[in-house]
Amino acid sequence: EVQLVQSGAEVKKPGESLKISCKGSGYSFTSYWIGWVRQMPGKGLEWMGIIYPGDSDTRYSPSFQGQVTISADKSISTAYLQWSSLKASDTAMYYCATAKDQWELQYWGQGTLVTVSS
Amino acid sequence: DIQMTQSPSTLSASVGDRVTITCRASQSISSWLAWYQQKPGKAPKLLIYKASSLESGVPSRFSGSGSGTEFTLTISSLQPDDFATYYCQQYNSYPITFGQGTRLEIK
Repeated sequence: EVQLVQSGAEVKKPGESLKISCKGSGYSFTSYWIGWVRQMPGKGLEWMGIIYPGDSDTRYSPSFQGQVTISADKSISTAYLQWSSLKASDTAMYYCATAKDQWELQYWGQGTLVTVSS
Repeated sequence: DIQMTQSPSTLSASVGDRVTITCRASQSISSWLAWYQQKPGKAPKLLIYKASSLESGVPSRFSGSGSGTEFTLTISSLQPDDFATYYCQQYNSYPITFGQGTRLEIK
């Protein structure tokens, strides 16, 4: 059974750094792209970027380029999303998901809620 | 960026109704379109990919159609479990983009 298990909820202050994780199991982690999706409170889905763990090829949405870093450690089947300096506007639920054949997102993690507040 | 516009934004319907949600792309995306269902507090669920292919395990009352710039998601006979928010997503080109969502509520 394919599973993506994300790290737990975080409460941070503006300016702090953060790295959240997404651990894959039940499939070949290095063979499928993993994407990250943001959902701000009460809002829709926003595609942030995607990584191919096999070779770490990474693509970002222009809206998120330079704002976050996506990475993966294939030795532990884990993808990451990180911020160097959080803002209040980063408060959101963040989902990871595997891409099926192209970029449709097939299996999803349970989400990580990030709250940034002073 | 390719803009995805869903209509309606909110849809009220009853159990047993046939409903259709439309998604329009700002430029041609061939058939590179997916549909997702999201319930409150849950991750989205893939329903349809490549515009009309039904994801494994998804009930056959869900169907997708269209190509180019206009697409539809149809639920042939609404069930109580179907009341949720639905999103389309284009994956023809980067950046991948979602529609704004259609909230399907009980009439």
